[in-house]
Amino acid sequence: QVQLVDSGGGVVQPGESLRLSCAASGFTFSHYGMHWVRQAPGKGLEWLAFIRFDGSDKQYADSVKGRFTISRDNSKNTLYLQMNSLRTADTAVYYCAKTTPGHFDTWGQGSLVTVSS
Amino acid sequence: DIVMTQSPDSLAVSLGERASINCKSSQSIFHNTYDKDYLGWYQQKPGQPPRVLIYWASTRESGVPDRFSGSGSGTDFTLTISSLQAEDVAVYYCQQYYSFPYTFGQGTRLEIK
Repeated sequence: QVQLVDSGGGVVQPGESLRLSCAASGFTFSHYGMHWVRQAPGKGLEWLAFIRFDGSDKQYADSVKGRFTISRDNSKNTLYLQMNSLRTADTAVYYCAKTTPGHFDTWGQGSLVTVSS
Repeated sequence: DIVMTQSPDSLAVSLGERASINCKSSQSIFHNTYDKDYLGWYQQKPGQPPRVLIYWASTRESGVPDRFSGSGSGTDFTLTISSLQAEDVAVYYCQQYYSFPYTFGQGTRLEIK
């Protein structure tokens, strides 16, 4: 079945970096655009980044532009989110999501990132 | 950026009764070329990722019970649950995917009265 598995979360200090991964299976990964979305504790959903199916177009939310980088390796069926200069406000559960295009039809289970000194 | 505003923030409805959640966008999210409203509705239960219920404002996702329906166009949209079941307790979000940055409503918490 179609599945996305998020990994790479953890506890880091402010200013440090972390890379999240999202392993895809059950569909032709290289045919679909992908997104990252996060959810701070007790808060709503915040869209972060998009990458086109072939990696030729990337979009970012202003809150992460210049600090986070979305990328993909279609040979490994894996999506990435490189997060640099992390702040306490970046503490959240991070989800990858597949787009059809348009809406998000499949979501990963989420990966918790905690930024704390 | 397109701002999505949901109402109410929380809602308590009796089992078997109708529940309606509204979503308003700060500008039209109807795409004339494709004749579609670029709006989705998601359900999120505690400890779980969101799940899409409705897309293109009114198309029900495969496997979603037919008590869930979406309506509206342009800037005003509604998610309706025709007969509330216990398993529908969740937070519901609308989302526009008309233009970047994609944006979500703040969420509506639905509870049983």
